[in-house]
Amino acid sequence: DAMVIQNPRYQVTQFGKPVTLSCSQTLNHNVMYWYQQKSSQAPKLLFHYYDKDFNNEADTPDNFQSRRPNTSFCFLDIRSPGLGDAAMYLCATSDGTSGLRDEQFFGPGTRLTVL
Amino acid sequence: DQQVKQNSPSLSVQEGRISILNCDYTNSMFDYFLWYKKYPAEGPTFLISISSIKDKNEDGRFTVFLNKSAKHLSLHIVPSQPGDSAVYFCAASASGAGSYQLTFGKGTKLSVIP
Repeated sequence: DAMVIQNPRYQVTQFGKPVTLSCSQTLNHNVMYWYQQKSSQAPKLLFHYYDKDFNNEADTPDNFQSRRPNTSFCFLDIRSPGLGDAAMYLCATSDGTSGLRDEQFFGPGTRLTVL
Repeated sequence: DQQVKQNSPSLSVQEGRISILNCDYTNSMFDYFLWYKKYPAEGPTFLISISSIKDKNEDGRFTVFLNKSAKHLSLHIVPSQPGDSAVYFCAASASGAGSYQLTFGKGTKLSVIP
């Protein structure tokens, strides 16, 4: 089954220690997204890639970076995690041919704990 | 400043009855609305959507109603089934060149009681 895979499902890091979350997709979609969802909050878009074009949301902290080395993979790098960065991180993909009318397919998420 | 609001964190409904989940928005530029369903330990999955040119969209047991003047939409599930128990997110978007941002609500946890 075509799908969006996130590894690891649970990640524990220390305050200030860089961490990378990964996402892969077998859907061959053009667009990949990273969302942050804090407890009992709405998912919040951090950034997205349309193919190789990176699009950062205006209020995404500089501490968050992303890489997309190829169509299938996208990484979220948190350079110096703070306690406030503890959250569920959701990766999603969409075809990109119809803009926002495209259905977004989500991975199961990675829950990040910062000690 | 929440642009999409789901004011009911939770809802319990008897099996076979109607479930009504509500969503309000403040941004008048939003013109496309979606509902996503999320089971524990899984990512959200797309359920149904509606464009602002319509006031109703139906897909099987699921119907979404849009009231643009009130900036309100609702998701009706009839009849409700235990498998519908999940968190439901309302999301909205505004057309724009290169705009891919979905703005989500906080979600409503639906429990369908057998």
